[in-house]
Amino acid sequence: GENVEQHPSTLSVQEGDSAVIKCTYSDSASNYFPWYKQELGKRPQLIIDIRSNVGEKKDQRIAVTLNKTAKHFSLHITETQPEDSAVYFCAPTDSWGKFQFGAGTQVVVTP
Amino acid sequence: GAVVSQHPSWVICKSGTSVKIECRSLDFQATTMFWYRQFPKQSLMLMATSNEGSKATYEQGVEKDKFLINHASLTLSTLTVTSAHPEDSSFYICSASLRFFPEKLFFGSGTQLSVL
Repeated sequence: GENVEQHPSTLSVQEGDSAVIKCTYSDSASNYFPWYKQELGKRPQLIIDIRSNVGEKKDQRIAVTLNKTAKHFSLHITETQPEDSAVYFCAPTDSWGKFQFGAGTQVVVTP
Repeated sequence: GAVVSQHPSWVICKSGTSVKIECRSLDFQATTMFWYRQFPKQSLMLMATSNEGSKATYEQGVEKDKFLINHASLTLSTLTVTSAHPEDSSFYICSASLRFFPEKLFFGSGTQLSVL
């Protein structure tokens, strides 16, 4: 089965700095790579996703980069703000919808 | 966008009782629904996958007789925690996906279950 590793498990950044979270997966059939943000007691929210035919995708302060050869993809948050504080999960998925969530990264943005 | 409604949002029950959690897709037909449990500061753990009209597929280690899943229609799936015990206390979340877009997950708002 899919083996997903997400690093770091916690990330503390100063407001305005950048944050990067990396997700490594093992299943070469994965072709859809989403990142979810989950605030305490709330549902996960899709914040950005990328498909295997694209190397990078950006949406304002958030970007995702994919290296399919090395089987990893990363979430980049620039100009971090306190409201970016949350837990972030990756969930590499294959075309049948089979997925596995990473262990999560607790991001804390300090003012 | 696709909306998934989950009820109740929180429930407190006595040990030994059963609790039913509902997950509804409000504006689309969800051919597949997923149920997860999440302990504090941990990831979502997939419990089972259910397809409309068929039996749920449970992940290894999940007791199917304890966590009963029914997916009777394309818009409703239910999870019943039978004979709940304090160790079943957790955050339970459902998600739904579309037939022709199975990769996208639409999450319910979650149910916090506390068993006394």
